[in-house]
Amino acid sequence: QSALTQPASVSGSPGQSITISCTGTSNDVGGYNFVSWHQQHPGQAPKLVIYDVSNRPSGVSNRFSGSKSGNTASLTISGLQAEDEADYYCSSFIRSSTLVVFGGGTKLTVL
Amino acid sequence: QITLKESGPTLVKPTQTLTLTCIFSGFSLESSGVGVGWIRQSPGKTLEWLALIYWDDDQRYSPSLKTRLTITKDTSKNQVVLTMTNVDPVDTATYYCVHALMATNRFEHWGQGTLVTVSS
Repeated sequence: QSALTQPASVSGSPGQSITISCTGTSNDVGGYNFVSWHQQHPGQAPKLVIYDVSNRPSGVSNRFSGSKSGNTASLTISGLQAEDEADYYCSSFIRSSTLVVFGGGTKLTVL
Repeated sequence: QITLKESGPTLVKPTQTLTLTCIFSGFSLESSGVGVGWIRQSPGKTLEWLALIYWDDDQRYSPSLKTRLTITKDTSKNQVVLTMTNVDPVDTATYYCVHALMATNRFEHWGQGTLVTVSS
């Protein structure tokens, strides 16, 4: 069982928007503004798409956005494209010996 | 340009010790705030953070694996080594090394990963 809870799957049609949730506790997601999201296509290494809750690394499409409310963080992808079909993982940094916890991952299907 | 590349055995027998090496370029592990970490992913499963070492030799470990892991660095060779003792088939996974920044989980640069199978 992962420390952070994500839905197993979400889906959407091209052009639509989807949101993936990531629920933790006040000891991780709710306690720090250090939530990241990674995208992973089959057979590839994960790619950072959001860090520090809502910041995008250079080169990441502005269709990706992040937010947080209480103990739940969210990744929103707008204007869905076929290339967005992938697994998405959230993670939180925590100031303890555990340091980093990941969610179980969400499979995004573009219909 | 930051790059990282993992290397190590593809097959390890149960109870043996696994040694993985990460060779990196494009940054220095002598720079303040910089670190290198290891994350693994079992087949079909989620990511699991294992260990991290910072520029000042501060080492952090996953509490569940702490007794089996050792992470070291060699700044002259731009490499980080992770050793895992007493491996088990459940340790079968793709192991990634990542560039890390102090006190964040901003893992922007990943190696390609190396698949390690634990089997007799």
